[in-house]
Amino acid sequence: GAGVSQSPRYKVAKRGQDVALRCDPISGHVSLFWYQQALGQGPEFLTYFQNEAQLDKSGLPSDRFFAERPEGSVSTLKIQRTQQEDSAVYLCASSLGTGSFGANVLTFGAGSRLTVL
Amino acid sequence: SQQGEEDPQALSIQEGENATMNCSYKTSINNLQWYRQNSGRGLVHLILIRSNEREKHSGRLRVTLDTSKKSSSLLITASRAADTASYFCAPGGQAGTALIFGKGTTLSVSS
Repeated sequence: GAGVSQSPRYKVAKRGQDVALRCDPISGHVSLFWYQQALGQGPEFLTYFQNEAQLDKSGLPSDRFFAERPEGSVSTLKIQRTQQEDSAVYLCASSLGTGSFGANVLTFGAGSRLTVL
Repeated sequence: SQQGEEDPQALSIQEGENATMNCSYKTSINNLQWYRQNSGRGLVHLILIRSNEREKHSGRLRVTLDTSKKSSSLLITASRAADTASYFCAPGGQAGTALIFGKGTTLSVSS
């Protein structure tokens, strides 16, 4: 597609529910990133994929967070047993990842705003 | 990759004035990027400067990089209300590596 698409844009969950957030990156982009952004803060890195391989998941805050990109395109971030501190905007970004010099320029989606009650 | 630290945290100016924000980082880099985030939106890439470049321009944006001081600055000339946003720097390394963002500089331009 023309840009990075994220869905849903808004999600309200009750504490303890599981949620799944979807990211459609730009076609042909090898690298895909997930960030978590709390109100008034900068985006915090969660995890990174190169094609279907999850190369870095050091930023995932707990084992309740799980991300996958099984076919190297669409990615899903799953949060199990949500807690109030999970309330944030979850940003997805993609990049060419390899080849040209500007390959690590990120294109971001608009984000999914999660509110846990 | 490493996190950049933006300064100041907040900046308020009038339309038509110039806005300067700074970024410091700790270890050597291949390039450095600046991004803008309007309220409620994702980040948008503004400009990338390579480690062997000292200055780069894009429209009303001017970015400088001083690798000896491990710092960069972003200058927005003749600011407009539409420039109101948060600005983040991202000292980068290899292609495909994660960019780490700081808290950013929140710029408010009033008309």
